[in-house]
Amino acid sequence: SQKIEQNSEALNIQEGKTATLTCNYTNYSPAYLQWYRQDPGRGPVFLLLIRENEKEKRKERLKVTFDTTLKQSLFHITASQPADSATYLCAHSMDSNYQLIWGAGTKLIIKP
Amino acid sequence: KAGVTQTPRYLIKTRGQQVTLSCSPISGHRSVSWYQQTPGQGLQFLFEYFSETQRNKGNFPGRFSGRQFSNSRSEMNVSTLELGDSALYLCASVEEEGRETQYFGPGTRLLVL
Repeated sequence: SQKIEQNSEALNIQEGKTATLTCNYTNYSPAYLQWYRQDPGRGPVFLLLIRENEKEKRKERLKVTFDTTLKQSLFHITASQPADSATYLCAHSMDSNYQLIWGAGTKLIIKP
Repeated sequence: KAGVTQTPRYLIKTRGQQVTLSCSPISGHRSVSWYQQTPGQGLQFLFEYFSETQRNKGNFPGRFSGRQFSNSRSEMNVSTLELGDSALYLCASVEEEGRETQYFGPGTRLLVL
């Protein structure tokens, strides 16, 4: 079955450093991967989407990579700020139904 | 455009009761998906509605049901509530073109006592 995994432990990063979050998948090749940000008590907010034929996508301080050999996507936040503290979710879909399968999320804490 | 709205935001019920949650998608979006989110779990897909028809369904018992109205507003109903139904229920609005991206509402936090 399709499975997507994120590091369940919180990630503590010093302000100004680059935060890197990992999303691993098994048993399939997703058509695309998405990253969302979720703040406490709020719904997820879409950040970036990367397709299987793309290696890297950037948006301001955010960068996503997609390695189909390692079956992994990395999400980077450069020059991290305390306001970047949130839970980051990855999700994928592998079919035309666009039915998303979600990871459990990684909590990111940026310390001043 | 106004975002996705969900009502109520918070709800406390007791076991055995039923509950109805409401979701109004972004204007022009005809697809609405519902998710359950519990601590430590990813978002668990409940169902998706498009043009008043259920298009996809997740792996939840029949106590969970939904519907969509002609104005695209959607409701989900949970009957015979169980303690394990305590969760954040999120609805997501999807634009049919560029369908991959989901726009979420703030969620309804349901506590079952």
